[in-house]
Amino acid sequence: AQSVSQHNHHVILSEAASLELGCNYSYGGTVNLFWYVQYPGQHLQLLLKYFSGDPLVKGIKGFEAEFIKSKFSFNLRKPSVQWSDTAEYFCAVNADNFNKFYFGSGTKLNVKP
Amino acid sequence: EAGVTQFPSHSVIEKGQTVTLRCDPISGHDNLYWYRRVMGKEIKFLLHFVKESKQDESGMPNNRFLAERTGGTYSTLKVQPAELEDSGVYFCASSYRLAGEETQYFGPGTRLLVL
Repeated sequence: AQSVSQHNHHVILSEAASLELGCNYSYGGTVNLFWYVQYPGQHLQLLLKYFSGDPLVKGIKGFEAEFIKSKFSFNLRKPSVQWSDTAEYFCAVNADNFNKFYFGSGTKLNVKP
Repeated sequence: EAGVTQFPSHSVIEKGQTVTLRCDPISGHDNLYWYRRVMGKEIKFLLHFVKESKQDESGMPNNRFLAERTGGTYSTLKVQPAELEDSGVYFCASSYRLAGEETQYFGPGTRLLVL
């Protein structure tokens, strides 16, 4: 079975700091990769997604993620975080032949103003 | 365009009672998924409908859980009888597949607490 690991469970940053959240998955075949965000009191929203092509994917609100196939990773980055980025971030993976998502356990990001 | 909606937003019930959760997907989305997050752990897949048919129910915990999607529109997830370990947040998602690509859009979730 697939699994997704998010190594950072809780991250605290000051505004303007750079962010990198790790995501690793275990599946040797073709995968589709996603990052979702859940702001306090809101529902899960799609930040960005990768299906194929350029492994560097740009999403909303200045986020980007890089797919490194050899490392089975899809890390999320943002050069300068804002207080409004305080949220929980989820990495999700599905294999090309299966619809269901496998999620990581989530990373809570707290940005201090 | 309306997003995925779920009802109720919260439910508190006693062990042994029955609860029914409802999900209304985005109009036109054939795929409907149920997921669950227990106690801050990872969000886990429960099952997948394509229209009114169950495509994959490998994540359903046991036979106390029953999901339906009559007519291929909204879906219900019934837990009967509820146990303490059923507490968690139940998410619904819907999607359509275009050119081999599929993105799932999530509802706000139903927070279930079984006492």
